Amino acid sequence: KAGVTQTPRYLIKTRGQQVTLSCSPISGHRSVSWYQQTPGQGLQFLFEYFSETQRNKGNFPGRFSGRQFSNSRSEMNVSTLELGDSALYLCASSLSAGVKETQYFGPGTRLLVL
Amino acid sequence: AQSVSQHNHHVILSEAASLELGCNYSYGGTVNLFWYVQYPGQHLQLLLKYFSGDPLVKGIKGFEAEFIKSKFSFNLRKPSVQWSDTAEYFCAVNPSSNTGKLIFGQGTTLQVKP
Repeated sequence: KAGVTQTPRYLIKTRGQQVTLSCSPISGHRSVSWYQQTPGQGLQFLFEYFSETQRNKGNFPGRFSGRQFSNSRSEMNVSTLELGDSALYLCASSLSAGVKETQYFGPGTRLLVL
Repeated sequence: AQSVSQHNHHVILSEAASLELGCNYSYGGTVNLFWYVQYPGQHLQLLLKYFSGDPLVKGIKGFEAEFIKSKFSFNLRKPSVQWSDTAEYFCAVNPSSNTGKLIFGQGTTLQVKP
C-alpha cells in the first residue's frame, strides 16, 4: 500500500506570494493532519480534516488555511508568505479521526521563502 | 498549556550502549502516547505507541517504552544501540480531548558512533 504522498517536495517562493501544498493520504484513510516543522519551534500542529470538515486548528494566523476533498486528498494554502514561513510542512493521515488513531506521515514539502 | 518535554536534546553513544530517552508531558487526563523516529533524509516513522493496557510497550527495531502515569512519563529504551539508530527521535502526545492533534516534544538527536 502506498504511503502518504506530498507534492511538491521542494518549493522556493518570495515574500508576499502565496503557496498551495498538496497531500494524498494512504488509501482508505479519511483523516488528514498538517504540521509545520522548523529548527526553532519543532513540530507544530496546523490543522486536521476529516470528511471534508476541519475538526481542529492549531495556533497559526489566518494566512494558513486548508481544505479536504471528497477523495480525502488535502491541500493547505499559505497566503502573503513571510520569511518565517520557511519550514518543512508535513502531512499525516489516519483511518479516521478517533482518539486512538495512529498518524502516518508523508515526506513533507520543504518551503523556502526568500 | 499542554506540552511535551524531551530532556535530552543531543545524545552521543557508542554501538552496543544502552539507550534511554526521557519524555514527560503535562496533561492530567487520559492520553495516547507515541514515539516517532526520523532517520536522516527520511520521513517520520512510528516506533511505538501506547493507548491503554500494559504500560510497557514494544515497538520496531528492538525499541520499547514504559508509560508511568504517576510521573507523566513515557521514556524510550533500547538495550543495545546500533549505528543505524542514528536519527532524531520525537515523543508525541494526543490528549483524548483533541482528536488528531499531536503535541510533539522538541526531539532528541541520537548519534551512534561505530
